[in-house]
Amino acid sequence: AQSVTQPDIHITVSEGASLELRCNYSYGATPYLFWYVQSPGQGLQLLLKYFSGDTLVQGIKGFEAEFKRSQSSFNLRKPSVHWSDAAEYFCAVGAVEYGNKLVFGAGTILRVKS
Amino acid sequence: NAGVMQNPRHLVRRRGQEARLRCSPMKGHSHVYWYRQLPEEGLKFMVYLQKENIIDESGMPKERFSAEFPKEGPSILRIQQVVRGDSAAYFCASTQGARYNEQFFGPGTRLTVL
Repeated sequence: AQSVTQPDIHITVSEGASLELRCNYSYGATPYLFWYVQSPGQGLQLLLKYFSGDTLVQGIKGFEAEFKRSQSSFNLRKPSVHWSDAAEYFCAVGAVEYGNKLVFGAGTILRVKS
Repeated sequence: NAGVMQNPRHLVRRRGQEARLRCSPMKGHSHVYWYRQLPEEGLKFMVYLQKENIIDESGMPKERFSAEFPKEGPSILRIQQVVRGDSAAYFCASTQGARYNEQFFGPGTRLTVL
């Protein structure tokens, strides 16, 4: 069965520090991968996506993610966190073979301390 | 170009009533996905529809839930005889078609069952 694991439920970092959010997946088809961000009471905003090609993808707001097939991982990184980055982050996977429906991780809540 | 629209944004129902959630996809999009987000959880796929067709309803509860996407008008997610456990945020996403794998999400409808 398809699954996405985000092992960290909460992460707290200091403003200006670097950030890495982990995402591991188990999927029976060639996946494409997404990271979304959700602020409280809001919808989902796409940060970045990986379909194919270069395994290091750049997204909005200074985020990047690296696809590592051998580790089934798609970790999200940012070199310097801003207070406005505090939100919940979701990793998701999909595949054309499964009708493109997305399987989401449980999310990681990011807190930024000043 | 307007994004995905959902209404109402907030819906309060008493146990046993019906809830109707509407989703208008982005212009030019003919495929809609519905997801449910229970409190403190990630999004879970419910149903995938094309105009006038249900493509995949493997995530829909077997009873009380139904969805449609008519030729004209928005997609509707209908929950009959709501129970407290139906309280959640319901998101819809749209794409241009089966080969287009990026989903654009609406702001969600937050259903509260009293």
